[in-house]
Amino acid sequence: DAGVIQSPRHEVTEMGQEVTLRCKPISGHDYLFWYRQTMMRGLELLIYFNNNVPIDDSGMPEDRFSAKMPNASFSTLKIQPSEPRDSAVYFCASSLRKGSSYNSPLHFGNGTRLTVT
Amino acid sequence: GNSVTQMEGPVTLSEEAFLTINCTYTATGYPSLFWYVQYPGEGLQLLLKATKADDKGSNKGFEATYRKETTSFHLEKGSVQVSDSAVYFCALSRLSRDNYGQNFVFGPGTRLSVLP
Repeated sequence: DAGVIQSPRHEVTEMGQEVTLRCKPISGHDYLFWYRQTMMRGLELLIYFNNNVPIDDSGMPEDRFSAKMPNASFSTLKIQPSEPRDSAVYFCASSLRKGSSYNSPLHFGNGTRLTVT
Repeated sequence: GNSVTQMEGPVTLSEEAFLTINCTYTATGYPSLFWYVQYPGEGLQLLLKATKADDKGSNKGFEATYRKETTSFHLEKGSVQVSDSAVYFCALSRLSRDNYGQNFVFGPGTRLSVLP
């Protein structure tokens, strides 16, 4: 199993530019999560999908952030325009949930380190 | 609301020392509990989990017991190694308020450094 794959691993961009982060979840998993990690705020849930449908996007900080999941094997997180305060490590995670159980663990990718100058 | 509290780090130990990282939680009902480990430059990896009261999760010499009466899930290891140096996150999982989604709550993480 290849695990959750994220790209790019590092992204450096200038303020005002558009940034697109990509994620390929583990095959067969039905939930996909986007998290942001910073020293100040720790891990923050941005949005999650179930079967490609966004379920809860209440953690998306602003309209500058958007996420899509066009199919079961691909998701993107876009920031437009980017700002220095968006600098963080962005993680994608997936899980296979069985019915209404909440025992299923998250499987994380290695993250994308975003730096906005 | 649901929350997870962990002991403040960093924790610095000598090799072969005993490790305890405290974790307590606040949640309604019976959450599932997890410990994750994050090595430098990597994502979080599941270390162990427990899904009901008195369950003990264990992996790679680490253990944690789900204590409902004290709402705790402390992580322990009898003899740490340099390779255990990492950040450790305690987390809980519950049904979300709509009783449909799965809501994860993570603690702030505890950095462990093991010296040779």
